[in-house]
Parts: sequence; C-alpha cells; structure tokens
Amino acid sequence: AQKITQTQPGMFVQEKEAVTLDCTYDTSDPSYGLFWYKQPSSGEMIFLIYQGSYDQQNATEGRYSLNFQKARKSANLVISASQLGDSAMYFCAMREIRNNAGNMLTFGGGTRLMVKP
Amino acid sequence: KAGVTQTPRYLIKTRGQQVTLSCSPISGHRSVSWYQQTPGQGLQFLFEYFSETQRNKGNFPGRFSGRQFSNSRSEMNVSTLELGDSALYLCASSLWAAESIRAQYFGPGTRLTVL
Repeated sequence: AQKITQTQPGMFVQEKEAVTLDCTYDTSDPSYGLFWYKQPSSGEMIFLIYQGSYDQQNATEGRYSLNFQKARKSANLVISASQLGDSAMYFCAMREIRNNAGNMLTFGGGTRLMVKP
Repeated sequence: KAGVTQTPRYLIKTRGQQVTLSCSPISGHRSVSWYQQTPGQGLQFLFEYFSETQRNKGNFPGRFSGRQFSNSRSEMNVSTLELGDSALYLCASSLWAAESIRAQYFGPGTRLTVL
C-alpha cells in the first residue's frame, strides 16, 4: 500500500497567490517525521520544512507552512505569495522512527507546480 | 558550510559495465543515504550508512552496493549495468540523533545513463 500519497500530479497557481499541495500518509508508527522537498529542473532536492508527529504546532519556514492534521493523516504544504521561482516538483516524504528504519525516507509521487506570471 | 557534494554529475555507461558514484556529506554529518529516482518508479531508497556500517537497505538487487569511509564519505557501486539502471542517483546526509532528525540534506545527484 502507498505510504505517501500526493493526489495532484500537476497544479497551476497565479504569481503572488497562495497554493496548497496535498499529502496524505499511512503509518502505524506513533513516532514519525514528515518532510517536504522542492526539486527544480536541475534535479537537486531542496529541503523545505519538517513536521514531527509529536510537534504541538504546525511547522512554518518563511513562505512555507505545513497544515498538519494528524487524525486525518494529512500534511499539506502551503506556499504563500507564490513566485516564479517556485515552479518545480514538490515531494512529500515520511520517516518512521522504528527499529531498523534508520533515516529511510518514503516519498510520494510528487506534484509539479507551475507558477503563472 | 559546504553542502552535500556528489561526483560525477553525469555519467554514460554501456550495459554490462560497472559504475561507482561518490558522495561527500555535510561536515559533521555521519549518516549518508542513497536514493534512485526514475520517471517510472519515483524516488526509492537504496541504503543508508552510518559510522561505516550499513544500517538499512531498500529492495534492490545485490548488484547495488555501497560503503562508507571513516571520514563519512560514501560510495555506491552498480555492477553489470542494465538499461533500467538509468536514473538520477541522489545522496542525502544528516546528523544522527537516535530519535529525532529534523532534516536530511540532498546533493545535486548523479545522472546515470546506460546505453
């Protein structure tokens, strides 16, 4: 079964508007971390934001915020005031903190975001 | 602080050959993980090394192997290359804290083409 699901293969957003990228996950581990990465066409994966399963507040990093709804097992990324440079693939990933999992990340299929001028 | 570096950035090989990719983690980071990214399969975990020991391994054939050196630099090797091994190979590094790791940082990747 898919552990990380990103249901939006592609999205358009107008420059300066906010956009939400969806991510749902599945785990039986009570302790886990959720990551969002940005991958421009150059290929490098850029770390954006992290949310721990026990974190009391939703994570924020500049224009990025994570809408974490634990009961629904969703961790949506919100980008405020979109910029042309935000056009890229975005990946949601999960790390389960259980024996022998180490630092392994499980990734979703990604969402391609295109920002229109 | 320098980021994660991977060499080479691009590689073209033919079927049956072998290849070695290198990854230098961020200074002070002791955990190095490798991922394969293809259009069909997406991002898949290959293996993770910490203190020169493989901690975890993904579901890949034995042709894929790796190692880590005492300075935390890591190499991965693919023997008897197949066309399906064409992919972007990404390396990620992180500090190792037993219960909480809040960031893993990726390198620019090595794009391998098998002809």
